[in-house]
Amino acid sequence: DAGITQSPRYKITETGRQVTLMCHQTWSHSYMFWYRQDLGHGLRLIYYSAAADITDKGEVPDGYVVSRSKTENFPLTLESATRSQTSVYFCASSTGGARGYTFGSGTRLTVV
Amino acid sequence: GDSVTQMEGPVTLSEEAFLTINCTYTATGYPSLFWYVQYPGEGLQLLLKATKADDKGSNKGFEATYRKETTSFHLEKGSVQVSDSAVYFCALSANQAGTALIFGKGTTLSVSS
Repeated sequence: DAGITQSPRYKITETGRQVTLMCHQTWSHSYMFWYRQDLGHGLRLIYYSAAADITDKGEVPDGYVVSRSKTENFPLTLESATRSQTSVYFCASSTGGARGYTFGSGTRLTVV
Repeated sequence: GDSVTQMEGPVTLSEEAFLTINCTYTATGYPSLFWYVQYPGEGLQLLLKATKADDKGSNKGFEATYRKETTSFHLEKGSVQVSDSAVYFCALSANQAGTALIFGKGTTLSVSS
């Protein structure tokens, strides 16, 4: 199906473990983004990517790693999960500028 | 840097009441402005947008006008329904390819019958 999909939808992991959240889009949009949503903070940008092999940090990148070897995939990895990374994570893609951004359904991550 | 400030909630209304959610922004240049809605347990959906001053975005009975002089983009609806209960986010994007959306903190709307 066309669109932007995130997996898993829910994830519980232990402190110190590595976990990877997946994001896949079928439109070949150049730009992709990772946000986290926390109560009282809205959505904050973690990382973004302008194209395959081009990534850059956002507002809250510490503790996260991204890669983009293919245009359609933009995985987010927590190298050593901490409780403060418990959050809902959203992936988004865009053709750029005012044309709008499309969001995935989110991954709810709980770190125990 | 660029930022968005929106009124804090929760906003609690009765069905058919008038809704206003205030949003102001700080930005260099001329950003595009958006309202996104998040229904319980779901992702974000674009509700409406405006790309230049005095533009009015509208969708599903919601409206917002891009006011450059007051740097505002307030969301309004004349008669809310229970199904409008959701979290509403105001956001901006600099008009350059690939720039990320910058969000306000969100306003929770609860409509009772």
